[in-house]
Amino acid sequence: DAGVIQSPRHEVTEMGQEVTLRCKPISGHDYLFWYRQTMMRGLELLIYFNNNVPIDDSGMPEDRFSAKMPNASFSTLKIQPSEPRDSAVYFCASSGPGGHEQYFGPGTRLTVT
Amino acid sequence: SQQGEEDPQALSIQEGENATMNCSYKTSINNLQWYRQNSGRGLVHLILIRSNEREKHSGRLRVTLDTSKKSSSLLITASRAADTASYFCATDANYGNKLVFGAGTILRVKS
Repeated sequence: DAGVIQSPRHEVTEMGQEVTLRCKPISGHDYLFWYRQTMMRGLELLIYFNNNVPIDDSGMPEDRFSAKMPNASFSTLKIQPSEPRDSAVYFCASSGPGGHEQYFGPGTRLTVT
Repeated sequence: SQQGEEDPQALSIQEGENATMNCSYKTSINNLQWYRQNSGRGLVHLILIRSNEREKHSGRLRVTLDTSKKSSSLLITASRAADTASYFCATDANYGNKLVFGAGTILRVKS
C-alpha cells in the first residue's frame, strides 16, 4: 500500500484566498483524522471521521475551516478565506477497524502571506 | 490543552548511549502510544501500551507505563544517528480513536 497520500505537499497563497488540502487514506481504514502542527501549539486534532461521518470537529478553529469526506478514499480540508495565522503543516492520518495506531501522511506545508 | 507532556524538551546524546524520554498525562486512559517524527515528515507509530500493561518491548525500544503516577517512559537503547527525531506520546483520552499528543521531545544523536 502507498500509505496515506496528501496533496499538495506545499502550498503558498495570499491572505483571503481559498485553500483546499486533499487526503487519500489507506485502503480499508475507516477512521480519518486532520491535524495541524505549529511550533507554538504543537500537534492539534482538527476533526476526525469514522466511516465518512464527522465524529468530532471541536478542534476546528473557526467557521473558515471546513472538512468533508465524500467517500472512503478521499477527504478535503478547506480554509476560506485563509489568514497568515493559518500557516502550519497540516497532516492527515488514518486508522483501521479496531486499530488504535494512526498512519500519517507526509503533510502539507501551508504558507499564507 | 495537551493531555501528554514530554520531558525533557530536548536531549542530545552520543551514538551508542541510551535515551530516555518521559511523558505525563492528566486523565485516565485505555492506552498510550509513542510516535516518532523525522524532520519534515509525518509521524510514525512506534509502540502502543495498554493501561493494564506495565512494560513493553519492541526491538531497541522499551516502554513503561505507571497508571498510578499517570506517566510513561520511552527508552531507546544503543542509540544511532538515525534515531535523531522528535518523539511524541499520545493518549486516547478514554474514548474512541481520538488521540491527544504531547509537545514532544527532540532527540539528537551525535555520531
